[in-house]
Amino acid sequence: QVQLQQSGPGLVKPSQTLSLTCAISGDSVSSNSAAWNWIRQSPSRGLEWLGRTYYRSKWYNDYAVSVKSRITINPDTSKNQFSLQLNSVTPEDTAVYYCARQQDQQLSGLGAFDIWGQGTMVTVSS
Amino acid sequence: DIQMTQSPSSLSASVGDRVTITCRASQGISNSLAWYQQKPGKAPKLLLYAASRLESGVPSRFSGSGSGTDYTLTISSLQPEDFATYYCQQYYSTPQTFGQGTKVEIK
Repeated sequence: QVQLQQSGPGLVKPSQTLSLTCAISGDSVSSNSAAWNWIRQSPSRGLEWLGRTYYRSKWYNDYAVSVKSRITINPDTSKNQFSLQLNSVTPEDTAVYYCARQQDQQLSGLGAFDIWGQGTMVTVSS
Repeated sequence: DIQMTQSPSSLSASVGDRVTITCRASQGISNSLAWYQQKPGKAPKLLLYAASRLESGVPSRFSGSGSGTDYTLTISSLQPEDFATYYCQQYYSTPQTFGQGTKVEIK
């Protein structure tokens, strides 16, 4: 049974860096048939995909244009987890942050988000 | 980016009712569409993928249909545990985008 367990602070000061980690059990961050995503949810923006990391003989990352200059998603193979760093945060980055898995579909590329972390409410405030 | 538009944004229904939610994409997405259910304080839960394929463990009263740009989620007989918010999502292209949600409330 695949599970994702999120950890990280719930309060970040403006202009600082938001850092979250998602620990994977029952699958591998290095899987050749999965991708590991970060998604956030706020009343103003709804559900917003932020980016993903995945391994296909080498590591790849995709990021949303809205955060591309501020975001880094890194795999940690030694701990079987992946992380989110979002720099220079503002109150607009206040949201519930989720990690989620996508799996390859046969002949169709990556599919839906089938496994989700429990969510972390992150507030950006001084 | 592909815009996903759901309707209605909310609805009131009774236990046993048939409920239909629609989702329209701003361009064709070749059935690369998922439906999620979210309850307060919880992560979204995958119900259907590839527009009409039921995720393992999801009750058969949930079904999906559609093609091209227009898709539908149907709950054949609404149960008390189905009162929640439902989202569609396209994974045809990056960035993957979600609809704004449909809240299903008790009448």
